Amino acid sequence: NAGVTQTPKFRILKIGQSMTLQCAQDMNHNYMYWYRQDPGMGLKLIYYSVGAGITDKGEVPNGYNVSRSTTEDFPLRLELAAPSQTSVYFCASSYLQENQPQHFGDGTRLSIL
Amino acid sequence: GENVEQHPSTLSVQEGDSAVIKCTYSDSASNYFPWYKQELGKRPQLIIDIRSNVGEKKDQRIAVTLNKTAKHFSLHITETQPEDSAVYFCAASKYNNNDMRFGAGTRLTVKP
Repeated sequence: NAGVTQTPKFRILKIGQSMTLQCAQDMNHNYMYWYRQDPGMGLKLIYYSVGAGITDKGEVPNGYNVSRSTTEDFPLRLELAAPSQTSVYFCASSYLQENQPQHFGDGTRLSIL
Repeated sequence: GENVEQHPSTLSVQEGDSAVIKCTYSDSASNYFPWYKQELGKRPQLIIDIRSNVGEKKDQRIAVTLNKTAKHFSLHITETQPEDSAVYFCAASKYNNNDMRFGAGTRLTVKP
């Protein structure tokens, strides 16, 4: 199994541009998550999904959108990039059962200039 | 919502010594407490977790203790090695991972 795969690994955007961060998992996990990690800080939940067709906001959803058309994929979209969105983005997944460990991807380092 | 505080923010120990990292949480309903290790430029990886129905869990050189009354939990690493150097994050959640809150992290340096 590849686990959780994120693309791209690095990206530089100009203010106002848009982009989609890709995330795919091959572990048949129901739950998927997007986090951002700012320098010297912990992870903050942006959006999560409990299954195909179901998404919900996390702690810091403003400026982002997600979709979950399949169990495997959970893309994160930035519509109008702002400098405050410069961060490292991690996608994670876990099983449906209560309190199961999350498996993380390698992250996408995004800079907005 | 849940608030998780983690101390210290940095910790330096000599190889072979023990290291202890402490976290407190605010929501008494939290019942799952994982610890993640993140090496520089890498993904967070789960190293140990504990659920609220136990007070202690051990896995080789790593142990976690939980005090539900005081709402704090700690990570203990014994016989530290240079490869233990990393940032360690604690987290707390209630019924599922949708409400998980992370601490700000502890940068552990083990000096050879």
